Amino acid sequence: NAGVTQTPKFQVLKTGQSMTLQCAQDMNHEYMSWYRQDPGMGLRLIHYSVGAGITDQGEVPNGYNVSRSTTEDFPLRLLSAAPSQTSVYFCASSSRDIINYGYTFGSGTRLTVV
Amino acid sequence: ILNVEQSPQSLHVQEGDSTNFTCSFPSSNFYALHWYRWETAKSPEALFVMTLNGDEKKKGRISATLNTKEGYSYLYIKGSQPEDSATYLCAIGGATNKLIFGTGTLLAVQP
Repeated sequence: NAGVTQTPKFQVLKTGQSMTLQCAQDMNHEYMSWYRQDPGMGLRLIHYSVGAGITDQGEVPNGYNVSRSTTEDFPLRLLSAAPSQTSVYFCASSSRDIINYGYTFGSGTRLTVV
Repeated sequence: ILNVEQSPQSLHVQEGDSTNFTCSFPSSNFYALHWYRWETAKSPEALFVMTLNGDEKKKGRISATLNTKEGYSYLYIKGSQPEDSATYLCAIGGATNKLIFGTGTLLAVQP
């Protein structure tokens, strides 16, 4: 049981480049979210999804797109990378029974934009 | 946007000390409060999820309480050990499981 898998683990981009951070879960979880973690800022919600075909914005959505074509996958797209998007990105998922289990997090993607 | 505040920002204790931290949140429209433990170079792991005023949960030496009317939760660690060193995060969840996190309390336990 792999849980939540994020790829890549590390990435360096040049300003203006685009890329997709992958997130996949094998627990049949309905809910999935993307967070970014910056020093002194804690985890900030970028986008989230309550099921396949449904996405919504979080606290800091600008510069990012998401889609949820399947229950398993929730990719995060950076359209035109900026140095302000240098961060560690975490994907998380939960079932509807979040009261008993909470969120399961992936291992993170460290992104540097130069 | 919900404002979830945690205090203190950091805490240094000696092995064997008991300690506690606070999470404050708006009491209106409350649905659920989560506590996570986040060790360096790892991912956050769920400790507790609480929904009812007066809830108390316990896992080994760690326990948590919830007061939804006044908008706070306490996390207690009894007899701290070096392996308890981590950042402890709280988060407020809505009905759609959209979680808003506080900035965390960094605990360092000195042997």
